[in-house]
Amino acid sequence: EPEVTQTPSHQVTQMGQEVILRCVPISNHLYFYWYRQILGQKVEFLVSFYNNEISEKSEIFDDQFSVERPDGSNFTLKIRSTKLEDSAMYFCASSRGHRNTIYFGEGSWLTVV
Amino acid sequence: AQKITQTQPGMFVQEKEAVTLDCTYDTSDQSYGLFWYKQPSSGEMIFLIYQGSYDEQNATEGRYSLNFQKARKSANLVISASQLGDSAMYFCAMREGQGGSSNTGKLIFGQGTTLQVKP
Repeated sequence: EPEVTQTPSHQVTQMGQEVILRCVPISNHLYFYWYRQILGQKVEFLVSFYNNEISEKSEIFDDQFSVERPDGSNFTLKIRSTKLEDSAMYFCASSRGHRNTIYFGEGSWLTVV
Repeated sequence: AQKITQTQPGMFVQEKEAVTLDCTYDTSDQSYGLFWYKQPSSGEMIFLIYQGSYDEQNATEGRYSLNFQKARKSANLVISASQLGDSAMYFCAMREGQGGSSNTGKLIFGQGTTLQVKP
C-alpha cells in the first residue's frame, strides 16, 4: 500500500542551525501538508501546498519556515535558525484532492539543543 | 472557541469490550469532513475512519465505527472488541469547507484521548 515517507526519523540540531525535513508524498497525490506536534500536545497545521505554491499557512508558519517541492517526488520543510521551541514531531501528509483522505507519514522528531 | 473538543484525556477498556471515544465539533460550514486518527507510542499517525457531513450512513471500517450525530455536532468513535494493540492516542479532526473549490484540505485536530486496553 502506498505511503508517505519521511526522513530523517529523528534529528538533533544545535540552536540556530538550519534543518531540512524531507518527505515523499504518495505518488498520485496533489495536496501536501506539514503539521507539527509538540510533545504531549495536539497536532497543529503548519502549511498546505498545491500546484507548486502554498495554498494556506498558519500563524506558526512565519519567515523561519519554508517549503519546497524541488522535483516531482520530494516535498521539503526548511526551518532556518532553529529555536528550542521548534523541538517537536513534524508530520508530512498528502491527499489526492482537497476532499480526500489525508495520509500522514511516520513523522520526523526534531530536537533542538 | 475550540473547533474540535475531545473531553476524555484518558480512557480504560477491558480487552474484547467496546469503547466509545467522544468528539464534538463546531463549524458553521454545511460541507465538512470528520476524521479519526490513531497515534501509537511509536508516533506515527494512522488514518482510521472518515465521515462526510452529507453522508447519511454512519461510517464503518472493520472494528471502527463512527457515531455521527449531526444535530448535536458529535462524531464519536466506537471501537468494538478492543485489542491490546488498540492502546494508543486517538485524535478526532475536522476539515471545513469541503464544498468550496478554494478549500485547502487542512485538518483541525482535537487534543486527543489516550486509550489503554487492559488484558
